[in-house]
Amino acid sequence: QSVLTQPPSASGTPGQRVTISCSGSTSNIGSNPVNWHQQLPGTAPKVLIQSNNQRPSGVPDRFSASKSGTSASLAISGLQSDDEADYHCSAWDDSLNAWVFGGGTKLTVL
Amino acid sequence: QVQLQESGPGLVKPSETLTLTCSVTGVSIRSSYWTWIRQAPGKGMEWVGYIYHTGTSNLNPSLKSRAAISMDTSKNQLSLILRSVTSADTAIYHCVRALNNGDIDYWGQGTLVTVSS
Repeated sequence: QSVLTQPPSASGTPGQRVTISCSGSTSNIGSNPVNWHQQLPGTAPKVLIQSNNQRPSGVPDRFSASKSGTSASLAISGLQSDDEADYHCSAWDDSLNAWVFGGGTKLTVL
Repeated sequence: QVQLQESGPGLVKPSETLTLTCSVTGVSIRSSYWTWIRQAPGKGMEWVGYIYHTGTSNLNPSLKSRAAISMDTSKNQLSLILRSVTSADTAIYHCVRALNNGDIDYWGQGTLVTVSS
């Protein structure tokens, strides 16, 4: 059972905009930066978003994220087949003194 | 270029001790948090534990009695020791760097550990 809650799956067609949600609590998302990680099939995760909405160098601006209260969301616009991957949210949890994750969302490009 | 490279035995027998190493290049481990995260087959990410550059560490309570994390600054390496392993410890183990504000910025490729007789 993951501390952060994500939908297990999401889908969209090429060119569409999809969003993935991540729900937590005041001790994690409500107090600390949210990260999003992209995990392409058979590869290691890659940081997509830091500090709630900041893209590391090299991440396309088709990826954006936001946070409000104890929830966060990742948006992917202009969906491409290469975006098919698992997406994980994470944050530091002040109560657990640990990093916590969502269960991951499998994005399918139809 | 920052790189984190995990290494380990691959296959471990139940009840044995697992030792994993993370070799870091491109940045000193004398700063930031260094974290182990594992992913069991078909499952989500699970935080295993961290060690801070000061040597302070913390472990997932579910593993605390069996695990330990250490760092060797002379080799710029981290280690994870997990004792009395069971099949539930079968997973890909990732070495991860995190910043003081909690942001994760680098992942290692991960090393697959299979616990089986």
